[in-house]
Amino acid sequence: AQSVTQPDIHITVSEGASLELRCNYSYGATPYLFWYVQSPGQGLQLLLKYFSGDTLVQGIKGFEAEFKRSQSSFNLRKPSVHWSDAAEYFCAVGLYNNNDMRFGAGTRLTVKP
Amino acid sequence: GAVVSQHPSWVICKSGTSVKIECRSLDFQATTMFWYRQFPKQSLMLMATSNEGSKATYEQGVEKDKFLINHASLTLSTLTVTSAHPEDSSFYICSASNLQGESSYEQYFGPGTRLTVT
Repeated sequence: AQSVTQPDIHITVSEGASLELRCNYSYGATPYLFWYVQSPGQGLQLLLKYFSGDTLVQGIKGFEAEFKRSQSSFNLRKPSVHWSDAAEYFCAVGLYNNNDMRFGAGTRLTVKP
Repeated sequence: GAVVSQHPSWVICKSGTSVKIECRSLDFQATTMFWYRQFPKQSLMLMATSNEGSKATYEQGVEKDKFLINHASLTLSTLTVTSAHPEDSSFYICSASNLQGESSYEQYFGPGTRLTVT
């Protein structure tokens, strides 16, 4: 069955520390991949996306993600976390027809001072 | 570019009444719009997909007679929650796609509407 897995429900990191949020997918073909961030009571903001080409994708706010086909993963990284990065992060995948976009369960990021 | 708005941003209604939520693409034509609901501390769940001028396609388990979706123009889709009940209280988010070029694989999200049914 098609699925998107974010194994970590909640992650806490210290401000200035590095961050990696995991995302794995299970689809028959290479999907289109997205990372979104959501602050409490707000909509979703696109951080970055992967359609094709370079597997290391740069996004906004200093985030990057790497697509690894062999691992069916699209992990999000940031070298130095800021307190304002505290939010909920969602990985999403979509197939070519754009009608099958699915979200992971989300990872809540807490940043310690 | 690719801005999507929702109105209202929050609404409180009494049980048994109906509520309409609007989703607008402000600077592009949205051939397809999507409606999601999100319960507290949970992920987004797709409710339905609507194409301009066509009937919406509902996900399994979503009552189409309760959640009426209209996509009458390329910039507006509406979701009407009919005979709302407290269990319908949720955060409703719409998204839009213009199905042109590479960006057709991307959905642009609205800010969401918080519905509370008392």
